[in-house]
Amino acid sequence: EAGVAQSPRYKIIEKRQSVAFWCNPISGHATLYWYQQILGQGPKLLIQFQNNGVVDDSQLPKDRFSAERLKGVDSTLKIQPAKLEDSAVYLCASTAWREAFFGQGTRLTVV
Amino acid sequence: QKEVEQDPGPLSVPEGAIVSLNCTYSNSAFQYFMWYRQYSRKGPELLMYTYSSGNKEDGRFTAQVDKSSKYISLFIRDSQPSDSATYLCAMSGRQETSGSRLTFGEGTQLTVNP
Repeated sequence: EAGVAQSPRYKIIEKRQSVAFWCNPISGHATLYWYQQILGQGPKLLIQFQNNGVVDDSQLPKDRFSAERLKGVDSTLKIQPAKLEDSAVYLCASTAWREAFFGQGTRLTVV
Repeated sequence: QKEVEQDPGPLSVPEGAIVSLNCTYSNSAFQYFMWYRQYSRKGPELLMYTYSSGNKEDGRFTAQVDKSSKYISLFIRDSQPSDSATYLCAMSGRQETSGSRLTFGEGTQLTVNP
């Protein structure tokens, strides 16, 4: 079974630039999450999708972050404009029931 | 106050030692308790999953939940250098459908020295 795929693995941008991350979940998994993990901290939920609908985006900074999940499969997370404090690993996870399977993450550095 | 508290360590032990990792939580709605292991530059992977209070054993790993004290633990017996990683506790509330939001602790960085 293929795992959760994310790209790119690494990204370096200047502050105020925009960036987008892509996630392909495990086939058949209805629920998809985006988490932000700042160095030395645990993952923090940004947004949760159930199929292509948003279930929880209460912790998403909506003035600069956006996410979509077209056709209930792949998802993209966008940051525009980026700030220095957005430097983190962005993890995508998907689940069919209770176990969440994580991708390797995209490491974003904002300079 | 954070919903989940976890000592970040770092924790360094000799090979073969028994390791104890702990988390406390404040939200009584949490019903499901998990331990994830995260190697450097990798995503977290599920190690143990428990629902009720009590112990659950899987090989060298034992997960313990005490809901009355809002306290969970992970014990690693006969620790190996390959166990060196960050261990994250995670919790979720009662769920009526699949895919409940996970709330993570900060993670404890463990190093097992040969």
